[in-house]
This record gives sequence, C-alpha cells and structure tokens, in this order.
Amino acid sequence: QTVVTQEPSFSVSPGGTVTLTCGLSSGSVSPTYYPSWYQQTPGQPPRTLIYSTNTRSSGVPDRFSGSIVGNKAALTITGAQADDESDYYCVLYMGGGSWVFGGGTKLTVL
Amino acid sequence: QLQLQESGPRLLTPSETLSLTCTVSGGSFSTTFYYWAWIRQPPGKGLEWIGSVSSSGTTYFNPSLKSRVTTSINTSKSQFSLRLTSVTAADTAVYYCSRHVLYIGSYYVFDSWGQGTLLTVSS
Repeated sequence: QTVVTQEPSFSVSPGGTVTLTCGLSSGSVSPTYYPSWYQQTPGQPPRTLIYSTNTRSSGVPDRFSGSIVGNKAALTITGAQADDESDYYCVLYMGGGSWVFGGGTKLTVL
Repeated sequence: QLQLQESGPRLLTPSETLSLTCTVSGGSFSTTFYYWAWIRQPPGKGLEWIGSVSSSGTTYFNPSLKSRVTTSINTSKSQFSLRLTSVTAADTAVYYCSRHVLYIGSYYVFDSWGQGTLLTVSS
C-alpha cells in the first residue's frame, strides 16, 4: 500500500516562511490526488486549512497557501506566528473511494 | 454553524464491538455531495480515515479496516453511526466524526469536525 509521507518535524522562526510537503512512497502527487491540509493543536480536533491543492477553507488567513512543488503537495506558511505551532496533516485521495492521511508534521515556531 | 457530536462508550474490553454515533446539527444533512466520515487518532499518533457514508447509504472504507467496519445513517435524526467489531488495544484512539464533502471531480475535503471521543480498549 502506498504511504503518504510528511516531514516528522520542522521549525521556523517567528515571521519566517516554511514549506511543509506531502509526498508518496511511490509516485508523484498531482492535483488529481486532491490534496488537503489540516492543522491540529493538542487536545483539539483538526482544523481544515486547504483543499483541492490550493483553496483556503473559510476563515483561513492568506498566509497559508497550498501548491504542488515538484512531485509533492506543499503547504506554505508565510510570516509564521507563535500560534502556528501545531501538527499539520495532509490527506490524499488515492482513488477508488479511498483517502489516506500523512503521518503529520510537528511544526515548532522558535 | 454546523456542529457534530460523538457519543458512545469510553471503555471496551478486547473482542467487544464498538458502536459510536455522531449527531449533526446546524446544517443540511442529506445534500448529495455530503458524506459523513469517521476518523481516528491513537494517543500521540497521527490521523487515520476509517470510512465515509452518504445519506443515501453509499459507503467507502479504509481497506485496512473494511472487514471490521460497518456504518449506518439515520437521516430523520441527522445521525450516523460506526460499528467496529473485535476491538483490540490497537483500536484505542480518539474517534472523530466529520463532514466529508465529495464534490466528484472537483474537490474532496473533511470540512467540519466533532470534538472527538476517546475510546480505551483494555482488559
């Protein structure tokens, strides 16, 4: 079974820019995988950030953006803030009515 | 504003069957492209999609769980349910219900989430 890969951890300085990626153990991510991104803080349910590669969910600030970079989906945070420190998960549609979450990236802002 | 609330047991012993219900309020339940999903998260670990069901009963399941999972839906009560058989300690997790928007050929997104309910499986 294909695994959805994410960086286990990443750090960014306040005000900085960071790009988290979402790839496949075999193959390339394209828009037909309909990548979506979710932010989760401890003890809370996930919050929907981005869907269909680059569409921001309602109320999500425009410093969060999605794209395809090379062979991966990407979530870029521009002007990182302290409260961006969270776990970030991507989801890919694998076809045949199946969705797979990546393992998540723990983002530290320091 | 759409709200989802999970309900069900907090503790099961191995081999028992898990039954969870999600009650939806504050929004449409039976729109064609709205599916209703279950997602779980073991303590300290990542998220795992379990399955999704439409108001008409169409279902999609995670292949790794498909043999143990069934879902049902009650449109008159705006509720949907998860049944997971033969639970083990590996099924210990926070279980979330979510609205899963399937706009075929356009986008797919889990766009609303319940607060989650922790299930512990222990003898």
